[in-house]
Formats: sequence, C-alpha cells, structure tokens
Amino acid sequence: NAGVMQNPRHLVRRRGQEARLRCSPMKGHSHVYWYRQLPEEGLKFMVYLQKENIIDESGMPKERFSAEFPKEGPSILRIQQVVRGDSAAYFCASFKGGTGSYEQYFGPGTRLTVT
Amino acid sequence: AQSVTQPDIHITVSEGASLELRCNYSYGATPYLFWYVQSPGQGLQLLLKYFSGDTLVQGIKGFEAEFKRSQSSFNLRKPSVHWSDAAEYFCAALPTGTASKLTFGTGTRLQVTL
Repeated sequence: NAGVMQNPRHLVRRRGQEARLRCSPMKGHSHVYWYRQLPEEGLKFMVYLQKENIIDESGMPKERFSAEFPKEGPSILRIQQVVRGDSAAYFCASFKGGTGSYEQYFGPGTRLTVT
Repeated sequence: AQSVTQPDIHITVSEGASLELRCNYSYGATPYLFWYVQSPGQGLQLLLKYFSGDTLVQGIKGFEAEFKRSQSSFNLRKPSVHWSDAAEYFCAALPTGTASKLTFGTGTRLQVTL
C-alpha cells in the first residue's frame, strides 16, 4: 500500500508566479489535510478536505491560497502570485475516516522556494 | 485556545544515554496525543499515539511516552539513544473523537553525540 504521495518534492517559483502542489492520499483514504511548515517552526494547519468538499479552511490565508480535492485525482493546493513569505515546506496528510481511526499519515512534503 | 508546548527547542545527548522530550498540552478536554519524528528534508513519521487507557504507550524504534493528566503532559522517552535518532520531534494533539486538525508543538531538535 503506497503511502501519501506529494509532487513535486521541490518547487522554485519567481515572485508573482503560481504554485500548484499535488497530494495523492493513501488508498482508501478520503480525508486530506494540508499543513505548512515555515523555516524553524512547527507545522500549522491550513485546510481540511474530503472528496469535493472543504470541511475546514480556518488556517488558509484569505487571499491567493485555494485548495480542492476533486472526485477523481489528487488534492491540489494552489498559491497564486507567490511572495517570498510563501517559501516553506507544505505537507499533506491523509486519514481514512470512520470511527476509531484518527491517525493522519503524512507525505514527504513539497518544499517551495520563492525567488 | 488549544495549544501544544514543547519547552525544549534543542537537546543534545550522548549515544547510549537516556532521553526525555517534554510535551504539554492545553485543551478543554483531554485530546488524542501523538509524537512524530522528522528527519532532515523528510516528512513526518508517527512514533506513537495515545487515545485512552494505559497511560504508558509503546511506539516504534524503542520509544515510549507517558500520559499524565494531572500535569497535562505527554513526554517521550527512550532508554538508550542511537545516533540515528538525531532528528526533529513533534508532539501533536487532536480534539477527542474528531477528524479535525492536528495542533503541533514547535518541535525539539535532538542531536546525538558519539
């Protein structure tokens, strides 16, 4: 059973460009979370999605950031008009759902560098 | 507000010595508790978790953690550290019975000297 997959692993963007980060959850997992880790900091929650639904986006910046988890395909975190402060590691985690199982499994992350 | 605190930013221990990493939480009700490890440039790997029951939890790689309700703590321990344990360790909490967001501590970076 493959783990959570994220691509690309490293992404370099110039200021003002768009960044698209992809996350494929573990097989059978229908819940996806995105977290951001700024340099020398812990992980901060951004958004929680189920298939075709945003459940909690309380950690998402109000502008330029969006996320989706379509019926088919990976979850996408999209950052428009990137700025230097967006440079961070972005981690996706997936969770199977159902009672008794609350473990979130993390992908290897996408390290975004904005130049 | 819900929070997780890891008071030690950086800890250095000698190989073979014992280890204890501290974690305190502040929640209205006892949350589910987790310890993750992150090697440089890598993702997070779950070491162990506490949901309920026995307050001493065994995990992978020889780690264990003890939940103490009276101290709102969930400290991670290992009797004998190996050089390969050098990494960043994160404590995290989840409101009980919810498929909600994890709240992480700021992490403790462990250095192991030979």
